[in-house]
Amino acid sequence: ELKVEQNPLFLSMQEGKNYTIYCNYSTTSDRLYWYRQDPGKSLESLFVLLSNGAVKQEGRLMASLDTKARLSTLHITAAVHDLSATYFCAVDLSTGGFKTIFGAGTRLFVKA
Amino acid sequence: DSGVTQTPKHLITATGQRVTLRCSPRSGDLSVYWYQQSLDQGLQFLIQYYNGEERAKGNILERFSAQQFPDLHSELNLSSLELGDSALYFCASSTRQGYGYTFGSGTRLTVV
Repeated sequence: ELKVEQNPLFLSMQEGKNYTIYCNYSTTSDRLYWYRQDPGKSLESLFVLLSNGAVKQEGRLMASLDTKARLSTLHITAAVHDLSATYFCAVDLSTGGFKTIFGAGTRLFVKA
Repeated sequence: DSGVTQTPKHLITATGQRVTLRCSPRSGDLSVYWYQQSLDQGLQFLIQYYNGEERAKGNILERFSAQQFPDLHSELNLSSLELGDSALYFCASSTRQGYGYTFGSGTRLTVV
């Protein structure tokens, strides 16, 4: 069974600081996604990573994928308060039907 | 507006009752996915349909069922409701598997 683990699950950081969220998964997959969810809102797609070594950047967020290590990182550069949200990674599983399994989410709070 | 429409936005019902949640996918998307988000279980994959056919099943209870109609909208039926079924139910759609989803705004179900 595919397991997707994120850490940390909760992160409180100061504005201007850098930090990395980690996403490990247990089964071979070459597709990984990052989503953002604001409290009480829907999930917004941030990044789609489709191959080993993929790196994508949008503003202060950068995501990377290492399929051999089964690891993705979401790096936050010079955090601002507006980045406060819950970040989910998700991995595709293509056995037993096609499914996307989500991690538990990392709740990020950026203090002004 | 993501293009994925879910109704109703909020639903309060009593234990033992049955409810139907509705989802219209983004125009052109053939796949519909249902997810349940609760505080203790995180985001759980329930079921996927592609062009009217069930494609994958996750942790969906026997009391729950879903279908996708010829016009591609989908309904999730929840019966014999229990307090523990209280959660946010998200529908998502995609054009092709493996390229991420677009999520609807969710239906918040409260069972009292």
